[in-house]
Amino acid sequence: TQLLEQSPQFLSIQEGENLTVYCNSSSVFSSLQWYRQEPGEGPVLLVTVVTGGEVKKLKRLTFQFGDARKDSSLHITAAQPGDTGLYLCAGALILGTSYGKLTFGQGTILTVHP
Amino acid sequence: DAGITQSPRHKVTETGTPVTLRCHQTENHRYMYWYRQDPGHGLRLIHYSYGVKDTDKGEVSDGYSVSRSKTEDFLLTLESATSSQTSVYFCAISEVADDYGYTFGSGTRLTVV
Repeated sequence: TQLLEQSPQFLSIQEGENLTVYCNSSSVFSSLQWYRQEPGEGPVLLVTVVTGGEVKKLKRLTFQFGDARKDSSLHITAAQPGDTGLYLCAGALILGTSYGKLTFGQGTILTVHP
Repeated sequence: DAGITQSPRHKVTETGTPVTLRCHQTENHRYMYWYRQDPGHGLRLIHYSYGVKDTDKGEVSDGYSVSRSKTEDFLLTLESATSSQTSVYFCAISEVADDYGYTFGSGTRLTVV
C-alpha cells in the first residue's frame, strides 16, 4: 500500500487545457514537495508547502496543501507541451521520521499534445 | 546546477556479481539518500546517511549496503546482483531535514542479466 496516493497516474491532454493532479494520504505530513522529472534525468524540486491551507503559485502552476496536511494538489492552467513530464509528490511524515526522509507518490505522467 | 554526480550512468552486469554505484557531491550537504525508481512504484528509499559513517536502512534495503567515509561520497553496493535489482537508481542530497526538499543526481540505469 502506497502511503501517498497520486491520481491520476496518466494524463493526456491538449495544449491550452487545464488539469489537476492530486496527492492524498491518511497520514499527516510536516511538509510536502512537488517534483517534476524528465526522461533520463532526476526529479527537480518545484515547490515545498509546509502550512495547512497554504497555496503557492509558480507561473501557471498552483500548489495547495490541505488544511489537515494530509493531501495536496497541483493545478496547471493552460498547459503547454513543455509541461510534459512525470510529476511526483513527496512528503515528510510529522511523526516517526528523522533525518529528512521523504516518502514519494507513484507519480503522474503528463503528456501535453500540441 | 547543484554539484551532485552519479557514476556510472549506465551499467549492465551479470546475476551474482557485486556492483557499486557512486554518488559524489560538492555541496557539503549533511544528508544523502539512495532511491530506486521502478514503474508503478515511484521512488523508494534504499538507504540514507545523516553524516560521515552514519547510515540507516530505508524501506527496500535488502540486498544493498552503503558506505560514507567522506562527506562528499556515498556508495551503494549490491553484494550479489539479482534481476529484481534492475532499476534506475537515484542519489539525492539535502542540507537540512525534510522541509527543504532534495536535489537529485541524474541517475544510474542498472540492468542485471
